Amino acid sequence: QVQLVESGGGVVQPGRSLRLSCAASGFTFSSYGMHWVRQAPGKGLEWVAVIWNDGSQKYYADSVKGRFTVSKDSSKNTLYLEMNSLRAEDTAVYYCVRWGESGVTLDYWGQGTLVTVSS
Amino acid sequence: DIVMTQTPLSSPVTLGQPASISCRSSESLLHSDGNTYLSWFQQRPGQPPRLLIYKISNRFSGVADRFSGSGAGTDFTLKIRRVEAEDVGVYYCMQAKEFPRTFGQGTTVEIK
Repeated sequence: QVQLVESGGGVVQPGRSLRLSCAASGFTFSSYGMHWVRQAPGKGLEWVAVIWNDGSQKYYADSVKGRFTVSKDSSKNTLYLEMNSLRAEDTAVYYCVRWGESGVTLDYWGQGTLVTVSS
Repeated sequence: DIVMTQTPLSSPVTLGQPASISCRSSESLLHSDGNTYLSWFQQRPGQPPRLLIYKISNRFSGVADRFSGSGAGTDFTLKIRRVEAEDVGVYYCMQAKEFPRTFGQGTTVEIK
């Protein structure tokens, strides 16, 4: 079965960096694009970034463009989100989500990892 | 960016009764490939979201058939035929026509 397990969250000071990881299993990771979606405490869902299955294309939300970088290592079945220049408004649970095939978007979600940006 | 607007934001429902959530997009979600990329997600309390419906009306694997989606263009609806206790949570629509992906504000379904 498809499993996505995020890690790397924690408390970080404003302006610092953090790298999130998402370990994937139960499917051929190299064949799927992957997304990051976040949810601030008590708020709705915000799409963050996407990477194509082969890493050839990436898109970002304007709110993170230039600060966050998404990447994937298919040899390790792992998705990453490098987050720099963190701000208080980046505080959220970050979900790793698979981009399904045949128009089935965001089909499997991880449990999420909490990032808190605070001094 | 495409703006997604859901109504109502809160929906108190009696067990066994139907529920309906509307979602409107600021522009048509009809893609040049002929598909309309509108999805619905359910988020139960304390859980990550899960996919219910994709491309307007296709139920995802394992989703109960009391959930149905309909609509076209810019107006879409999620219906729950007879609400059960496990349906309590927040429901989101999302457009997958273009990047950035955008979600509606969410509709909370609660039992009266």
